[in-house]
Amino acid sequence: EVHLLESGGGLVQPGGSLTLSCAASGFTFSVYAMTWVRQAPGKGLEWVSSIGGSSGTTHYADSVKGRFTVSRDISKNTLYLQMNSLRAEDTAVYYCAKDSYTYSSSREPDYWGQGTLVTVSS
Amino acid sequence: QSALTQPASVSGSPGQSITISCTGTSSDIGGYSYVSWYQQPPGKAPKLIIYEGSKRPSGVSNRFSGSKSDNTASLTISGLQAEDEADYHCCSYTRSSTLVFGGGTKVTVL
Repeated sequence: EVHLLESGGGLVQPGGSLTLSCAASGFTFSVYAMTWVRQAPGKGLEWVSSIGGSSGTTHYADSVKGRFTVSRDISKNTLYLQMNSLRAEDTAVYYCAKDSYTYSSSREPDYWGQGTLVTVSS
Repeated sequence: QSALTQPASVSGSPGQSITISCTGTSSDIGGYSYVSWYQQPPGKAPKLIIYEGSKRPSGVSNRFSGSKSDNTASLTISGLQAEDEADYHCCSYTRSSTLVFGGGTKVTVL
């Protein structure tokens, strides 16, 4: 059974940094693309970043490019999102999701974690 | 990349059918078969209910069906039930190798 568990959320001041983790189990973590999606309070879903399957190719939304970095540790079956220069508009629940495919970019996330809340406020 | 366009809300009575539209461009919905739909009950994580525009994952009710025409995808819920009350989100792969979501549609069962 696929299981994804996010951690690392919390309250951070504007301009601060935070690293989110997503522990994965139940599938071959190294071959599937993985994605971070966020949802601001009362808003829709917003794609943030993806990392490809075997290639490890990374992609970012324009809103986070240059500030966020996605990475993974295959030995620990863990996905990360390093977030720097955080802004109030980054406040959201952050979900990690496994993709349906093993391509170099995410196509259709199929399994999602329960999310972790990031609040950027002074 | 602009968000896909969905109606903010759709409602229907139990047993009725409703359809949610999701409009994009030739750079996303119109250009690829990777259109997915997610159901999100209040306070919960999204769940995949349609992939590749019209396919249902194992375990998803056949009351959910998807289709696509040109730059617009649609999700139809037949035989509406109280348990179908949730937010529904469409998603498409894009020419830039990214993903784009719609704004979400709140479904209310009257």
